[in-house]
Formats: sequence, structure tokens, C-alpha cells
Amino acid sequence: GESVGLHLPTLSVQEGDNSIINCAYSNSASDYFIWYKQESGKGPQFIIDIRSNMDKRQGQRVTVLLNKTVKHLSLQIAATQPGDSAVYFCAENRSGAQKLVFGQGTRLTINP
Amino acid sequence: GAVVSQHPSRVICKSGTSVKIECRSLDFQATTMFWYRQFPKQSLMLMATSNEGSKATYEQGVEKDKFLINHASLTLSTLTVTSAHPEDSSFYICSANVETQYFGPGTRLLVL
Repeated sequence: GESVGLHLPTLSVQEGDNSIINCAYSNSASDYFIWYKQESGKGPQFIIDIRSNMDKRQGQRVTVLLNKTVKHLSLQIAATQPGDSAVYFCAENRSGAQKLVFGQGTRLTINP
Repeated sequence: GAVVSQHPSRVICKSGTSVKIECRSLDFQATTMFWYRQFPKQSLMLMATSNEGSKATYEQGVEKDKFLINHASLTLSTLTVTSAHPEDSSFYICSANVETQYFGPGTRLLVL
């Protein structure tokens, strides 16, 4: 089912440091995973995705790691910048199903 | 990435009135769109899947007679909140699939 958070986990990092945001998923049948960034008052913005036949994928300053054994997904942001401040959501999708199931989200705060 | 727009971005209405929110795919055609609701500091909750030319598929617990969805063309889906009440105040977001799922900017609804 869907995951609706009762509270939002937070992560504070120093500007310039690397950030790691974690996500646990529940459905072993999920085979497609997406990370979204949501700034205040805006819709989610696609960051990076990964399919279950991969365990790592890199983008610009971001890396997604997938560990299917423990059903864990992580987003690594290199050299975090003030503009990275946002809520980050992971989402999972099962093959053949179009709809996504979202995680509860993590608020990333950048300290100057 | 694909561009999804929503209109209006913000709406205030009186209790008992109906409000229509539009979701458009600007540079692609979408046979399927999705409508989400998001309460403050919470994750996205899927309300329904909008199918072009056919009835929408509603998630469990979502009243189809209250949240009317019309997907009359390949680029437009509308969500009408009928007889809105203060508890319907929320952030409504639509999305569409083009290889992955892209989101609109959201509509903030405030029912007085």
C-alpha cells in the first residue's frame, strides 16, 4: 500500500559535503524506482531513476544505489549546494503497473 | 523532461462550491494521467488514475462522486472537487507518464 508519513525525517548537512538519503521499500515485486525532489509549494521534480536489473546509476552530482536483497534504495548527492534544500521522495513501481507508490520523504537542509 | 502544467496554481473558494483543476501535458500525449493529494509535511497520496476516453480508476477510500475526473483528450485531464469543504483543502498534483512519471506544479486549494 501507500506510505504516508506521520512525520518527515530530516537530514542536515554542511554545504559542500555529500548527502545520503535512504529509502526502504516493501514490495519485492517492484522493479523500477525513482527519486524526486520537491521544493516548497511545487510539484515533485524527477531526479534519477533505476531499474531492478541495475544496482547503481549515476547522474549529474547524484548517484542512486539499489540493494534488492534488503529492499533498500539510496540517493547520494555530491558537494551539496543550498539549492539542494528540499524534500526528497523515493517512489517504486511494479512491472506492468503504471502507478507509483511513494515513500514518506526526507527533508534535506543545507547549513552554510 | 516532459512538461506538465496545472491551472490554477492556487484557488480559494467558499464551502459548498465546486472547483475545477486542469492538468495538461504540453509537449506529449498522455493516455493516462494521475491525480495526487498532499497534506502538509506528508507524502503524496494517489487519488485516482485518469484514463483518456474512459472512466477514471479511484483508489480505495476516495469518493468518485466528490472528486470528478474527466480525461477528454490526450493532453487534458480535469479534477473537479464538488461541494468542497474545509477538509478538502490540500495540495493537488497531477502527473503523466512518458517513460517515467512527470509531475505538474500543483494546485493549492483552500476552502473557507
